[in-house]
Amino acid sequence: AQSVTQPDIHITVSEGASLELRCNYSYGATPYLFWYVQSPGQGLQLLLKYFSGDTLVQGIKGFEAEFKRSQSSFNLRKPSVHWSDAAEYFCAVGGRGRDDKIIFGKGTRLHILP
Amino acid sequence: DSGVTQTPKHLITATGQRVTLRCSPRSGDLSVYWYQQSLDQGLQFLIQYYNGEERAKGNILERFSAQQFPDLHSELNLSSLELGDSALYFCASSVGWDSGANVLTFGAGSRLTVL
Repeated sequence: AQSVTQPDIHITVSEGASLELRCNYSYGATPYLFWYVQSPGQGLQLLLKYFSGDTLVQGIKGFEAEFKRSQSSFNLRKPSVHWSDAAEYFCAVGGRGRDDKIIFGKGTRLHILP
Repeated sequence: DSGVTQTPKHLITATGQRVTLRCSPRSGDLSVYWYQQSLDQGLQFLIQYYNGEERAKGNILERFSAQQFPDLHSELNLSSLELGDSALYFCASSVGWDSGANVLTFGAGSRLTVL
């Protein structure tokens, strides 16, 4: 079975600054990897996913993430954040076995300073 | 609007009671997933159905049950409710049955408060 850790519960950055949200996973093989965003009062929305191939994946809203097998990480980045990016971000890991599921991290809440 | 419809949006009930949460998946999606989101536990996978059949099970309590109907909508039944069951319950849907690889489309959630 897989697990996922988001080490930062809260992160605060200034508007216009760069952003990196950390995600580490544990799984015996290369998992499926996802980042979702949850705005207040909303459900989760997919930002990007990694299944195979190029380890740098582009997503919506200017986000990107890089899969690093050696570090078991899938960190989310954005070069310049906007106030509308304030939300909670979830990393998720899907196993490749028949009975595996998609497991979510506990989330990182992003605060933006004006 | 994600296309996944959950009702009710809010529900307040008492301990020991039973409630039913309803989910209509996005048009064309055959899989329905239920997740429980609480402050201390995060987003916990409960159960997945694919085209009416149970596909995968997570940490779902015996007091909870679910089913997916022929029209593909799903219901999550929570009984003998306890204070600790207060949470946001999300339904998500996807096209395929592969539990690990699917891109999930989430509904807005049903917030359950048990008093």
